[in-house]
Amino acid sequence: AQKVTQAQTEISVVEKEDVTLDCVYETRDTTYYLFWYKQPPSGELVFLIRRNSFDEQNEISGRYSWNFQKSTSSFNFTITASQVVDSAVYFCALKNNFNKFYFGSGTKLNVKP
Amino acid sequence: DSGVTQTPKHLITATGQRVTLRCSPRSGDLSVYWYQQSLDQGLQFLIQYYNGEERAKGNILERFSAQQFPDLHSELNLSSLELGDSALYFCASSQTDRGLREGEKLFFGSGTQLSVL
Repeated sequence: AQKVTQAQTEISVVEKEDVTLDCVYETRDTTYYLFWYKQPPSGELVFLIRRNSFDEQNEISGRYSWNFQKSTSSFNFTITASQVVDSAVYFCALKNNFNKFYFGSGTKLNVKP
Repeated sequence: DSGVTQTPKHLITATGQRVTLRCSPRSGDLSVYWYQQSLDQGLQFLIQYYNGEERAKGNILERFSAQQFPDLHSELNLSSLELGDSALYFCASSQTDRGLREGEKLFFGSGTQLSVL
């Protein structure tokens, strides 16, 4: 079975705090891709990162960083020094060998001033 | 399993043709959203329906149309297809019509891969 779980339904932090959004996945495929998307109020899903299953190197992009650990089937997303503009719903997703996507249920992040 | 069902999973057609993509929302959800994704990039919002009525419109081409039926399933019709319409089309659903502005969470289907040859 393929599945993506984002156990945190909603998180609230105060500006400048660091926050980590959890993503745990299940798949039997050996080759797969993991994604994070941001859903701002405008409606589109903004692509943040894509990681293939053979690349466990962590990545940092500005205030964003991702920790991919195959041993625990997790692909967590950390925002450092959060800002109000980071408030959004964030989705984690898995794409399997057949180009089929499995989305998590999303985590709503509220960053308060 | 999100509870959102999209059919077909794959569709191959030729330029100039017309296709219909179908989406069944989660049980109890009244809103349906359609998105288009190209090349593993972001998902572009196309259109939203709530309880049968169009509620919000994104960057949807005039050649595309959608509707939501009384049983709440939705169809996205793509006509006069062009090569550039090849993409993954997602459907998502949510319970209310609070909408994306209030950060309402969506539940996504697995997508329909459309290939226009």
